Amino acid sequence: AQSVTQPDIHITVSEGASLELRCNYSYGATPYLFWYVQSPGQGLQLLLKYFSGDTLVQGIKGFEAEFKRSQSSFNLRKPSVHWSDAAEYFCAVAPWNQGGKLIFGQGTELSVKP
Amino acid sequence: NAGVTQTPKFQVLKTGQSMTLQCAQDMNHEYMSWYRQDPGMGLRLIHYSVGAGITDQGEVPNGYNVSRSTTEDFPLRLLSAAPSQTSVYFCASSPGQGLIFGQGTRLTVV
Repeated sequence: AQSVTQPDIHITVSEGASLELRCNYSYGATPYLFWYVQSPGQGLQLLLKYFSGDTLVQGIKGFEAEFKRSQSSFNLRKPSVHWSDAAEYFCAVAPWNQGGKLIFGQGTELSVKP
Repeated sequence: NAGVTQTPKFQVLKTGQSMTLQCAQDMNHEYMSWYRQDPGMGLRLIHYSVGAGITDQGEVPNGYNVSRSTTEDFPLRLLSAAPSQTSVYFCASSPGQGLIFGQGTRLTVV
């Protein structure tokens, strides 16, 4: 069965520091991979997605993610965090032939220190 | 273009009451789905639909019914609400790769 693991429940970084949020997935073939962000009381917004091709994917708000097949990982990175990045981040996977049927990880809450 | 619209935004129900959460999209997407979000558990798929007249169960379907009579609408029905259904509910639609979410409905069952 497909699954997604986000090992870090809560991360705190200083403003201006770099960020890496971890995501590991379990799936038999190459899936579709996504990162979403959720601000308090809001819906989920798509940051970036990977389907095929270049394993380094650029997203909105300065985020990027790298697909590593050998490690079954899709980690999210940002070189310099801003206070407005404080939110909850969700990694998700979908089968290649059911691109709308997403399975989500538990989420990582990001806090940003001034 | 409104995207995915959910109503109501907030609702309090008594145990045993029934209600329908409404969801509409204006993007002509065939795929629509309902998720519930609970702390520490991410989002879990309740039901989904790949087109009008076609629905299927997700990971946590018990206690919920859906129907899809039109491409635009995908309502979620709670027939007899239970406190375990206290959650935030998200409707989403898909152009085929990824999901576009509504703003959510916060439901409390007392």
